Amino acid sequence: DAKTTQPPSMDCAEGRAANLPCNHSTISGNEYVYWYRQIHSQGPQYIIHGLKNNETNEMASLIITEDRKSSTLILPHATLRDTAVYYCIVRVESNYQLIWGAGTKLIIKP
Amino acid sequence: DAGVIQSPRHEVTEMGQEVTLRCKPISGHNSLFWYRQTMMRGLELLIYFNNNVPIDDSGMPEDRFSAKMPNASFSTLKIQPSEPRDSAVYFCASRPGLANYGYTFGSGTRLTVV
Repeated sequence: DAKTTQPPSMDCAEGRAANLPCNHSTISGNEYVYWYRQIHSQGPQYIIHGLKNNETNEMASLIITEDRKSSTLILPHATLRDTAVYYCIVRVESNYQLIWGAGTKLIIKP
Repeated sequence: DAGVIQSPRHEVTEMGQEVTLRCKPISGHNSLFWYRQTMMRGLELLIYFNNNVPIDDSGMPEDRFSAKMPNASFSTLKIQPSEPRDSAVYFCASRPGLANYGYTFGSGTRLTVV
């Protein structure tokens, strides 16, 4: 199973774009990249996922490099409510055993 | 949609007592998961049900832990007897089908065993 590497923490100014990187150099062809976040004292929340192509939804954009060895989650206009731990998870779609690493603690500053 | 509902939100109990945590998944979701989160170990999967049937309980720490899902709208996680090292936040999650992007987590139960 592919492992992921994320920076332990990041800061971002409110209103700016927050770019959260994730390295997954051992990703295999059928593994998806999933992003979840956990706001303090709450359960994790699904954000976005992708296989090869870049994806965008109402919450964020996901940019996956052409070789699929890394990806970036983009929150286009960060707000204070986006302060959370962000988890990057790589998994085949049918494998329910999600590996939750330490994630990136994103702090949005006013 | 009320989301995944867990009760109680907080539980403080004495060592040796029985603890029962409850979960109501989202209607129509046929997969249910119990997770435990601690500072030391992060999020750990305890047990996974599909269509009310336990599929994988390899994450259940020991025989003191048991989980049931008597119907599609209710599940329990029981600890008997409880120990201080069981103190953690316990999350229930459900998802429709088999895709990993559909998880919805409850707000969790913070368990403190003294």
